[in-house]
Amino acid sequence: AQSVAQPEDQVNVAEGNPLTVKCTYSVSGNPYLFWYVQYPNRGLQFLLKYITGDNLVKGSYGFEAEFNKSQTSFHLKKPSALVSDSALYFCAAGYALNFGKGTSLLVTP
Amino acid sequence: DAGVIQSPRHEVTEMGQEVTLRCKPISGHNSLFWYRQTMMRGLELLIYFNNNVPIDDSGMPEDRFSAKMPNASFSTLKIQPSEPRDSAVYFCASSFGLFGGQETQYFGPGTRLLVL
Repeated sequence: AQSVAQPEDQVNVAEGNPLTVKCTYSVSGNPYLFWYVQYPNRGLQFLLKYITGDNLVKGSYGFEAEFNKSQTSFHLKKPSALVSDSALYFCAAGYALNFGKGTSLLVTP
Repeated sequence: DAGVIQSPRHEVTEMGQEVTLRCKPISGHNSLFWYRQTMMRGLELLIYFNNNVPIDDSGMPEDRFSAKMPNASFSTLKIQPSEPRDSAVYFCASSFGLFGGQETQYFGPGTRLLVL
């Protein structure tokens, strides 16, 4: 079984600052980890995924995520946040995606 | 290139009525997933198909819910009879691959269902 947890309901960051959205996972076997973003009244959009290989995964819109096996984490990061990054972010695991509860990211001007 | 198509986008119905949600996956994709999103429960997987065959329907809330995939380009999720607690956004997603867990799922825009 594969499951994830997102410990923060909301993350606030000022525009231009780096952002991190946290995710921890619990899996048996190889972890398949995903990040999705949801804008208001829209479907989920794929950002990036970790299957194997490099621990630093680069994705869409300048986002990246670091897979850390020892800490069982897969945090989403971006060096410089934009106001337009404000949205709901979901971490997920497994082929029948088990989603975290989501983290609302608010980037203020 | 069309993504996952869902219809209707919005549905308002009265308790006890039958509701049918429709999904057209991305052409060539061989797996299809139905999810439900609510404020209280977040995103829940209801059922998924691989090569038109239901693989796991353990997420379907109760017998009032049923899903079919008669061919590779069409799936339905039916609620009969509907209840107010079924009010949610229902998403369909599709993916392509060997069903090993590495595939990326692509989501439709969702159907917002309100049962009065």
